[in-house]
Amino acid sequence: DILLTQSPSSLSASVGDRVTITCRASQTITMGTETYLNWYQQKPGRAPKVLISGAINLQNGVPSRFSGSGSGRDFTLTISSLQPEDFATYYCQQSYTTPRTFGQGTRVDIK
Amino acid sequence: QVQLQESGPGLVKPSETLSLTCTVSGGSINTYYWSWIRQPPGKGLEWIGYIYYTGSTSYNPSLQGRVTISVDRSQNQFSLNLTSVTAADTAVYYCAKAGRRFFDWYDPWGQGTLVTVSS
Repeated sequence: DILLTQSPSSLSASVGDRVTITCRASQTITMGTETYLNWYQQKPGRAPKVLISGAINLQNGVPSRFSGSGSGRDFTLTISSLQPEDFATYYCQQSYTTPRTFGQGTRVDIK
Repeated sequence: QVQLQESGPGLVKPSETLSLTCTVSGGSINTYYWSWIRQPPGKGLEWIGYIYYTGSTSYNPSLQGRVTISVDRSQNQFSLNLTSVTAADTAVYYCAKAGRRFFDWYDPWGQGTLVTVSS
């Protein structure tokens, strides 16, 4: 199985802060020009919602303050200016192979 | 716009079989990958498996052969059976749609249904 390790596991931040979450895979999840790493946001009591696919592709309707980067084994989700509605838990997920795996999650709290 | 809705018992006894159905509305179940994912209370996400509309499947080996996912294209539904459940199977169970490609992400998800394993 591909292990995804997120850091930090939790963080406290203020509205307007720049937030960076990292995800490291136990093996490469890039094949050719495509990378199979996705980011989700989950709010309490709600299903996860995809933010970014293919490491860098912002999904329709997702605010541009969210961005993703990385290839190979190392990936980053950045929120350029944290908004009140962004306080949630964020998960990375690989779709390179089965079994699909998720990172353990990063909880973003209000400082 | 595709929507998914999970249904099934919220309480299952230990050693029995957990059975859930996901009903797809707003689109056809054909031509996509469909998955089950679960989340124990207060914990992270675990992939259970997928079924392609043709009926081909892939399951998480961690579930040790207890899982079956099936599709009913006439009803636009797919289902999960998990046998010999224990308290460790207590979780919110989500169904989710991936895309046409094997490598696609999950969007959308159902709202989730809590299944508790208890006598």
